[in-house]
Amino acid sequence: GENVEQHPSTLSVQEGDSAVIKCTYSDSASNYFPWYKQELGKRPQLIIDIRSNVGEKKDQRIAVTLNKTAKHFSLHITETQPEDSAVYFCAASKSFNKFYFGSGTKLNVKP
Amino acid sequence: KAGVTQTPRYLIKTRGQQVTLSCSPISGHRSVSWYQQTPGQGLQFLFEYFSETQRNKGNFPGRFSGRQFSNSRSEMNVSTLELGDSALYLCASSSMQGASYNEQFFGPGTRLTVL
Repeated sequence: GENVEQHPSTLSVQEGDSAVIKCTYSDSASNYFPWYKQELGKRPQLIIDIRSNVGEKKDQRIAVTLNKTAKHFSLHITETQPEDSAVYFCAASKSFNKFYFGSGTKLNVKP
Repeated sequence: KAGVTQTPRYLIKTRGQQVTLSCSPISGHRSVSWYQQTPGQGLQFLFEYFSETQRNKGNFPGRFSGRQFSNSRSEMNVSTLELGDSALYLCASSSMQGASYNEQFFGPGTRLTVL
């Protein structure tokens, strides 16, 4: 089955700096890659996603890039703010709604 | 539109008991997926239902089962509870229509504690 690896497990940045979280996947048939943000005690919320026919997608301060050849995708957050502090999960899916999640990255943005 | 809802929000059970969790998807969403979230294992896929049929299944023992009703509401059942079943159980719904057909929206989860 699919295996999704996520790095780093923890990331600490200064407010205003950029943060990058990387994920790799093993199944070349995977075609949908969402990113979720989970604040403490709350449900995961979709923040951005990308499909395999696109190499990059941007939404304000958040962007995701996908390299299908290398089978990796990354989340980029620019001009980080304290409210960006949360756990971020990447995921990969190839069929219907069977998703494989990365192990999560705890992002801490220091004011 | 109302979001995904789950009941109950908290449950305490003892080993050997069974438990049923409920999930109501966003109106119009026909796919419901279930996940187990633990600090050590992250988010693990349990199963997914669409139009009352289980389409996908993760690698969990047969003690974990589910079903979906004609109104798309779903239930998950865990029998013969073990201490290791203590976790946050999340459900997520998708519309399976349009360009964003498989975007998943999560419920708040049910926190299950097994003593």
